[in-house]
Amino acid sequence: DTGVSQDPRHKITKRGQNVTFRCDPISEHNRLYWYRQTLGQGPEFLTYFQNEAQLEKSRLLSDRFSAERPKGSFSTLEIQRTEQGDSAMYLCASSFMGGTSYEQYFGPGTRLTVT
Amino acid sequence: QKEVEQNSGPLSVPEGAIASLNCTYSDRGSQSFFWYRQYSGKSPELIMFIYSNGDKEDGRFTAQLNKASQYVSLLIRDSQPSDSATYLCAVNMALTGANNLFFGTGTRLTVIP
Repeated sequence: DTGVSQDPRHKITKRGQNVTFRCDPISEHNRLYWYRQTLGQGPEFLTYFQNEAQLEKSRLLSDRFSAERPKGSFSTLEIQRTEQGDSAMYLCASSFMGGTSYEQYFGPGTRLTVT
Repeated sequence: QKEVEQNSGPLSVPEGAIASLNCTYSDRGSQSFFWYRQYSGKSPELIMFIYSNGDKEDGRFTAQLNKASQYVSLLIRDSQPSDSATYLCAVNMALTGANNLFFGTGTRLTVIP
């Protein structure tokens, strides 16, 4: 399978714990995005990388959230001191930045439940 | 004002009919427009994208873009029960200077056999 992959697919954690999610983009894609989706809503943008550079962060990304893409390949999203309001589906997407191509392809997501 | 608006539905159509899904957006400078299909509990799947005014057809799907009126629509011909899903409209807003997408809340489509 050459699509976007995410790990883990499900995560249950207790409030106050730290969690880390991983995303592996489509191999030739140089842009990687993180979104969050709650029930009944569309995905909301969190942050994105072009290669290893984090180019934009949403105001939704509080200081408890940090994302990295150290070698321009896979990315990690860490949430520190989780809160119940962090419960959501965390989606990773990737795209190839070239010409006028803007299509983003999503991975299967990581569903986080904070108890 | 929401940046991307969709009728949340639910929209029900009989099998074989045409389903019409609509979306409006607020930023007149928006550059690119996408339709994603999302089955319950799954992630969004890209089914159509359109960058220029007019129609774009791909199989049973047609995307229509009218930048002057700031709306984009998706037509699904010969609807099948397997088309039952939530359809998300997404827009690349020029104002952000980036390629992150703004999504609507989605329209839930049910195709009745």
